[in-house]
Amino acid sequence: GAVVSQHPSWVICKSGTSVKIECRSLDFQATTMFWYRQFPKQSLMLMATSNEGSKATYEQGVEKDKFLINHASLTLSTLTVTSAHPEDSSFYICSAMEGNRDFSYEQYFGPGTRLTVT
Amino acid sequence: GQNIDQPTEMTATEGAIVQINCTYQTSGFNGLFWYQQHAGEAPTFLSYNVLDGLEEKGRFSSFLSRSKGYSYLLLKELQMKDSASYLCAVLDSNYQLIWGAGTKLIIKP
Repeated sequence: GAVVSQHPSWVICKSGTSVKIECRSLDFQATTMFWYRQFPKQSLMLMATSNEGSKATYEQGVEKDKFLINHASLTLSTLTVTSAHPEDSSFYICSAMEGNRDFSYEQYFGPGTRLTVT
Repeated sequence: GQNIDQPTEMTATEGAIVQINCTYQTSGFNGLFWYQQHAGEAPTFLSYNVLDGLEEKGRFSSFLSRSKGYSYLLLKELQMKDSASYLCAVLDSNYQLIWGAGTKLIIKP
């Protein structure tokens, strides 16, 4: 159980275009989803936290108008990288927290999406 | 500020035991996680400690001392497939995960 999927697993796009990444919890309801970014040989960097039905909370330094997050349902969150540039090339990983945080703190990670902007 | 320290890299021999340490200073504490991450893949959950003591799960064990702000991950009977990065992360008072930089573990035959 507790499977999180991401789509696409990799994407190449041209500078200036937008890319949407989907994160789905397949067998549980995710009240909270997290979006991370990881550069080669570095740790995960939290970009934003999204709760179903409300606006995402962005970390300092993350442009909310560039990285649009929509958590429309308890099983789906999307990250849209708008007007992508080569410096946005990275590994984007989502994770989902199941249910009430008083009972479960474990985050289940998606497999990640590798974005390359040319 | 919030800080999590773990060694950058460690080397061990197949079949041996290795201990990866993690020290933390965070605003509040709601638990500590260990994750394993193979190159090019997302992290996978290994353990969660919120009370002091040792939690054992097969070949992997995790220890926590809240008073010392210290945890370790113990890997026994090392296998080549254990070569990976091991990430320590603390859940702070706002229930946000604060990540360490990860320890790259190299297993030699």
